[in-house]
Amino acid sequence: SAVISQKPSRDICQRGTSLTIQCQVDSQVTMMFWYRQQPGQSLTLIATANQGSEATYESGFVIDKFPISRPNLTFSTLTVSNMSPEDSSIYLCSVGRRNEQFFGPGTRLTVL
Amino acid sequence: AQKVTQAQTEISVVEKEDVTLDCVYETRDTTYYLFWYKQPPSGELVFLIRRNSFDEQNEISGRYSWNFQKSTSSFNFTITASQVVDSAVYFCALSEDSGNTPLVFGKGTRLSVIA
Repeated sequence: SAVISQKPSRDICQRGTSLTIQCQVDSQVTMMFWYRQQPGQSLTLIATANQGSEATYESGFVIDKFPISRPNLTFSTLTVSNMSPEDSSIYLCSVGRRNEQFFGPGTRLTVL
Repeated sequence: AQKVTQAQTEISVVEKEDVTLDCVYETRDTTYYLFWYKQPPSGELVFLIRRNSFDEQNEISGRYSWNFQKSTSSFNFTITASQVVDSAVYFCALSEDSGNTPLVFGKGTRLSVIA
């Protein structure tokens, strides 16, 4: 299995501010994925992050709002910019390894 | 495009009852992977099973069993003798490459097991 940690685990933020979420994996992985889970909803893919290239965003998500960094094979960050209450969600990073997909514990974000 | 449908939004059962969670999927790929995850109230996603499209054998793991039927594009999940600790949201998911492509999730089924 893969051990994935996320920081922060939760945060309460004011609208208009930005939050950067960190995802650390215990070993090197090629693909990392960022998902959003709005309250009571399913998981929706935000973007796919490959090391050394720009992240690929899904429809409805843009780089200006959700910039992603992938500086190496074990680490990625997702920033939620200019937050509004609609951004209140759980944000999860995920990695694929040996035909499995593993998820981090998630970052629970509340925007006031 | 890939799609996963979990028609049951919420299910409530009494402890020790058996319960089946339905999952129907759509894909044009001949090779694909199906997953089930459990999300307890704490919020983390717990991996339960992965099945590839070429393996239609049913699987049993303790009180859990899965029935994969390509003819009906279904991958149903049964919990036998349910327990209160089984209370969670269960997600069925689909991908074209289990490790290197993202998952498409169903909307989830909230299971409540009452003592």
